[in-house]
Amino acid sequence: QQPVQSPQAVILREGEDAVINCSSSKALYSVHWYRQKHGEAPVFLMILLKGGEQKGHEKISASFNEKKQQSSLYLTASQLSYSGTYFCGTETGNQFYFGTGTSLTVIP
Amino acid sequence: ETGVTQTPRHLVMGMTNKKSLKCEQHLGHNAMYWYKQSAKKPLELMFVYNFKEQTENNSVPSRFSPECPNSSHLFLHLHTLQPEDSALYLCASSHKKAPGQVNYGYTFGSGTRLTVV
Repeated sequence: QQPVQSPQAVILREGEDAVINCSSSKALYSVHWYRQKHGEAPVFLMILLKGGEQKGHEKISASFNEKKQQSSLYLTASQLSYSGTYFCGTETGNQFYFGTGTSLTVIP
Repeated sequence: ETGVTQTPRHLVMGMTNKKSLKCEQHLGHNAMYWYKQSAKKPLELMFVYNFKEQTENNSVPSRFSPECPNSSHLFLHLHTLQPEDSALYLCASSHKKAPGQVNYGYTFGSGTRLTVV
């Protein structure tokens, strides 16, 4: 029931793009994305609802494929501040599960 | 400041001690949660309170005891913990219109880093 994220870890140079995927075995009602920097609280980035549109947040956007029960997070022209661990969270009925996490490191 | 305040930030306790973790939110949220975050593991939901009523207890050992006196405060009482309970304990809150409706994003506290010796 816990969504699986891929890749587990990625290293980027500043300005490069990245995609993080989140897959569930259950039908999804919504998908959340969070970022957690080392030693800090996870921070909510965005929510995608079933039947909703692609969302954006600065240069970070996400899509939600309801049929495939997948969501992808797109980071374009990455900045050093994007480094952290990204978690998806999936809502299926009354249940909510966080994904396995993707560690993203942006280097100069 | 995330809007959710947890104290203490760090806690070292012996296996025979009793301690409590505190969480406070003034965001007007009506749901509060305790999560456990261990190294190399996903966030594990421990307890959920909706409208001050406990609605979930994910098979958490009885040595962890939650308390939610009102919609702004949440406690996690700890006693006779084991070394494997060492982890980051995160409190979160959200606005949930009613049980079963969409949860519009969690706001997390900075966590309590717990070490059991």
